[in-house]
Amino acid sequence: EDKVVQSPLSLVVHEGDTVTLNCSYEVTNFRSLLWYKQEKKAPTFLFMLTSSGIEKKSGRLSSILDKKELFSILNITATQTGDSAVYLCAVEPLGGNLIFGKGTKLSVKP
Amino acid sequence: NAGVTQTPKFQVLKTGQSMTLQCAQDMNHNSMYWYRQDPGMGLRLIYYSASEGTTDKGEVPNGYNVSRLNKREFSLRLESAAPSQTSVYFCASRETANSPLHFGNGTRLTVT
Repeated sequence: EDKVVQSPLSLVVHEGDTVTLNCSYEVTNFRSLLWYKQEKKAPTFLFMLTSSGIEKKSGRLSSILDKKELFSILNITATQTGDSAVYLCAVEPLGGNLIFGKGTKLSVKP
Repeated sequence: NAGVTQTPKFQVLKTGQSMTLQCAQDMNHNSMYWYRQDPGMGLRLIYYSASEGTTDKGEVPNGYNVSRLNKREFSLRLESAAPSQTSVYFCASRETANSPLHFGNGTRLTVT
């Protein structure tokens, strides 16, 4: 059975800290892995990682994909209170639909 | 640019009542999806429409029906609501199978 596991489920850090969120997966015929940020309402897209793009960076956020070890990490440096959110990882198999993990709830304290 | 618009934002139903959740996107996307999000369960796919004129079951379709009215609109119907359907419902769309999903702001549904 295809599955996506995120860890930790929640964490609390202080502003300025660096955090690493983990996503491991077991999927038949991997196509892509996506990261989303969810605050109060709609999940918003952060990154998509595929076989042809295993590292992405945008400002203080970056992500890598390890297709051999079947995991991805999302790094946030110099965290701010605005980074507080639930971060969702999703994996899409070829010919299938996105499978979401349960998310990591990040709280950034001032 | 509205993106994906869902109505209503909130709804309370009694067990056995019916209702339709509406979703419309203005991005000319081919594929549309309905998810439910429950605490500790993540996002689970209810139904999807890969293109106008087609609909398919997802992971948790029981108790729901959908209609892809046209390319823009994809509705989700609960014929006889049950307390187990208390959840936050998200509609999403995307252009192709290899592009990211764009989500609406969700509908919080409570069934008493």
